[in-house]
Amino acid sequence: AQTVTQSQPEMSVQEAETVTLSCTYDTSESDYYLFWYKQPPSRQMILVIRQEAYKQQNATENRFSVNFQKAAKSFSLKISDSQLGDAAMYFCAYRSADRNRDDKIIFGKGTRLHILP
Amino acid sequence: KAGVTQTPRYLIKTRGQQVTLSCSPISGHRSVSWYQQTPGQGLQFLFEYFSETQRNKGNFPGRFSGRQFSNSRSEMNVSTLELGDSALYLCASSRWMEGVYNSPLHFGNGTRLTVT
Repeated sequence: AQTVTQSQPEMSVQEAETVTLSCTYDTSESDYYLFWYKQPPSRQMILVIRQEAYKQQNATENRFSVNFQKAAKSFSLKISDSQLGDAAMYFCAYRSADRNRDDKIIFGKGTRLHILP
Repeated sequence: KAGVTQTPRYLIKTRGQQVTLSCSPISGHRSVSWYQQTPGQGLQFLFEYFSETQRNKGNFPGRFSGRQFSNSRSEMNVSTLELGDSALYLCASSRWMEGVYNSPLHFGNGTRLTVT
């Protein structure tokens, strides 16, 4: 069964600095999708960024980028120029691309990110 | 476009009772999934529905059930509530359809269930 591990329960970063959140996963599949979701204190979870495993190029969305290392099964999220609004719980998630298999989305336990003014 | 709507926002129930939570997806979204969020276990998948059919089910006891209606609205039901069922229950919708497998989830604000 697939698993997703976020080894940092909490992190802090100074405003305007860069921070990297770690995520590792375990799977025997070769085709899958990876996601980072953000849950601010207001609770509504939103998608930050997604990566298709067959794409070698790392996904980027403005200040958010990932470092996808398929062989190492690592999918870290880098936030540049951190802003107060980035304070949230961040969840890494995995989903198989094979709809004939167990393709439910699997979340890590989350990393709570604090932004220090 | 209205987002995912979950009702009620808060619920307090007693052990042994049952509860029904409701989720209205974004218009045009046919897939609805449910998650249980607790501080200890994180976010755990409950089930997913597409076009009124359950596609996937997580590792939860049979006390947890759900359904989806023809208008894509979904309900989940928990019977014989236990203290450990206290959690934030999140619903998400997506435009999943054949071949579009990485469509993002759009979450509601959740229902906070407290079992006493």
